[in-house]
Amino acid sequence: EDKVVQSPLSLVVHEGDTVTLNCSYEVTNFRSLLWYKQEKKAPTFLFMLTSSGIEKKSGRLSSILDKKELFSILNITATQTGDSAVYLCAVEPDGQNFVFGPGTRLSVLP
Amino acid sequence: DAMVIQNPRYQVTQFGKPVTLSCSQTLNHNVMYWYQQKSSQAPKLLFHYYDKDFNNEADTPDNFQSRRPNTSFCFLDIRSPGLGDAAMYLCATSRAGTGAGELFFGEGSRLTVL
Repeated sequence: EDKVVQSPLSLVVHEGDTVTLNCSYEVTNFRSLLWYKQEKKAPTFLFMLTSSGIEKKSGRLSSILDKKELFSILNITATQTGDSAVYLCAVEPDGQNFVFGPGTRLSVLP
Repeated sequence: DAMVIQNPRYQVTQFGKPVTLSCSQTLNHNVMYWYQQKSSQAPKLLFHYYDKDFNNEADTPDNFQSRRPNTSFCFLDIRSPGLGDAAMYLCATSRAGTGAGELFFGEGSRLTVL
C-alpha cells in the first residue's frame, strides 16, 4: 500500500529559527512529490519535485528530493509568525491519485 | 482571481438532512477531485472525475454521491449526513494525465452536522 509519512507531526519554534520538515514515502512508481501549506483554508501549492538533488527555492523556503532514499525535506529559514500552518506532503505514484501525508503543524511564536 | 470556487464556504445541516456542495473551475482542467479533511488529518480522496468518467474510491461510503454536469462544475451530494461527516470538503482540479502537475484547490466547504 502506498504510504507517505511526515515528521515531526508538530513543531513549535520562535521567530527567526530555521526549521526542517521531513517527508518520506513508499509508493509504486514514483512520479512527483508536492509540498503544500495549509492555513485555516485550502492548501496552497509550494513546490513540485520530480528529480533528485535539485533544490527548489522560493524566498525563505526551499525543498529537495532524494529518490534513492525516498524522502524530501522542506526548509524554512528565518521563520515568521506568518509561516504558522500545516505543511502537507503529497506523492503521486504513476497512474494513481496523490497520496497525502498527515502533515506537520508548525507554530512560530513571536 | 480565484480559479477553483467552492460554495458554500460554511454549511450547517441537521443529522440526516441532505446537503449539496458545489465546485466550479475556470482552469478548464479535465480532472476534478473531492477530498474530505477532518481536523488534524490529511485530505482523504472520496472520488474524482476524469472528464465525465467517475472514479469512486473503494472506501467512500454510499452516502456520498457526485455529479459533474459539465467541465466547469462538480457537485458533492451527502444524502443523509451523520455526525461523522462533519469535515472540511475540498475540491481540487488538475490537468489530464499523471505527472501533469499540481492540484489546484478551492477554499473548501466546512460542513457542520447538528
